[in-house]
Amino acid sequence: AQSVTQPDIHITVSEGASLELRCNYSYGATPYLFWYVQSPGQGLQLLLKYFSGDTLVQGIKGFEAEFKRSQSSFNLRKPSVQWSDAAEYFCAVGVSNKIIFGKGTRLHILP
Amino acid sequence: NAGVTQTPKFQVLKTGQSMTLQCAQDMNHEYMSWYRQDPGMGLRLIHYSVGAGITDQGEVPNGYNVSRSTTEDFPLRLLSAAPSQTSVYFCASSYARNEKLFFGSGTQLSVL
Repeated sequence: AQSVTQPDIHITVSEGASLELRCNYSYGATPYLFWYVQSPGQGLQLLLKYFSGDTLVQGIKGFEAEFKRSQSSFNLRKPSVQWSDAAEYFCAVGVSNKIIFGKGTRLHILP
Repeated sequence: NAGVTQTPKFQVLKTGQSMTLQCAQDMNHEYMSWYRQDPGMGLRLIHYSVGAGITDQGEVPNGYNVSRSTTEDFPLRLLSAAPSQTSVYFCASSYARNEKLFFGSGTQLSVL
């Protein structure tokens, strides 16, 4: 079945540590790929998007994501997280006029 | 620039009641969509539209109707509300399919 999977429901990292959030998809063709963040009081915001070209995509707030076709993955990374990065992160795919979201990963930051 | 405007922000319904969630955008976006967000379930696509007069079903369309008579407006109708429709509803738009979505601030709906 076609799906977007975020294996980690919750992730906790220390402030200043590196971060990687995982996302896998199962669609026949390479879909459009997105990462969104939902922060309390700030709504849903696009971090970055990939469709083609360089497989390492830079986004806002110091985030980047790497597309790996062989693994059907689009993992989000940040070298050093800040307190303000605590939020819920959603991977999404665009296919056949639809944008389908994963179930999200809640990021907790330890001071 | 208002962006995507949803009304109301909060609503409480009784089972069996009907209502319409309003969504309007002032960015001349062709693509509009409705999602519901439930804890642990992410955002699930209800219905979407690629332009005025064109709508299609998403992942969870049952119990919901939509229409798109103008580019600006994309209302979501609940014909007979059920407790399972208690959720937070988000309207989103983009200038084309598979582009950045601009989200409204959401409607928190409770069905008793």
